[in-house]
Amino acid sequence: KQEVTQIPAALSVPEGENLVLNCSFTDSAIYNLQWFRQDPGKGLTSLLLIQSSQREQTSGRLNASLDKSSGRSTLYIAASQPGDSATYLCAPSIKAAGNKLTFGGGTRVLVKP
Amino acid sequence: DAGITQSPRHKVTETGTPVTLRCHQTENHRYMYWYRQDPGHGLRLIHYSYGVKDTDKGEVSDGYSVSRSKTEDFLLTLESATSSQTSVYFCAISKREGQNEQFFGPGTRLTVL
Repeated sequence: KQEVTQIPAALSVPEGENLVLNCSFTDSAIYNLQWFRQDPGKGLTSLLLIQSSQREQTSGRLNASLDKSSGRSTLYIAASQPGDSATYLCAPSIKAAGNKLTFGGGTRVLVKP
Repeated sequence: DAGITQSPRHKVTETGTPVTLRCHQTENHRYMYWYRQDPGHGLRLIHYSYGVKDTDKGEVSDGYSVSRSKTEDFLLTLESATSSQTSVYFCAISKREGQNEQFFGPGTRLTVL
């Protein structure tokens, strides 16, 4: 059974600092890995999808890396802003019926102005 | 906006009553999913569908049933609601089968008294 861990569970940084969010998973036979953002009381917003064959995926200030063999992914957010305050979730999927996602517990980020 | 709506958005019900939650998509995607989100447990898959009348169980399917009679609608039913089913329920769709990038609806907050 896939288990996903996100460290740290919470993070507080001053505006402008770069953010580094870590995700580890136990089963390296993944199909892809998705990073989400969740604001309080809201649904999940997909940020990045990184395929198992990729090492990196970038979107604006966001960059996600994937090391499948070691079971790790890292989300980098450059030059953080107060609007980046949210919970960030990672979710690898297994190539099986339904390509189901397994979620980590998330990292709650607070960016202070 | 991923073209997903959920109804109702909030519901309070009593133990033992049946409850049906609806997920509606506007883009005819094949895969649809129901998750629940609880503090300390994160997001967990309840059931998913890979086509009309084609469904399968997820990680926490006990006490839940689903139906999909049309491509656009995926219904989640609690036959006899219990307090342990108090949760936030999210529907998701997979837009691109080759990549399995999942997009989430706004959620339904269900309270079982």
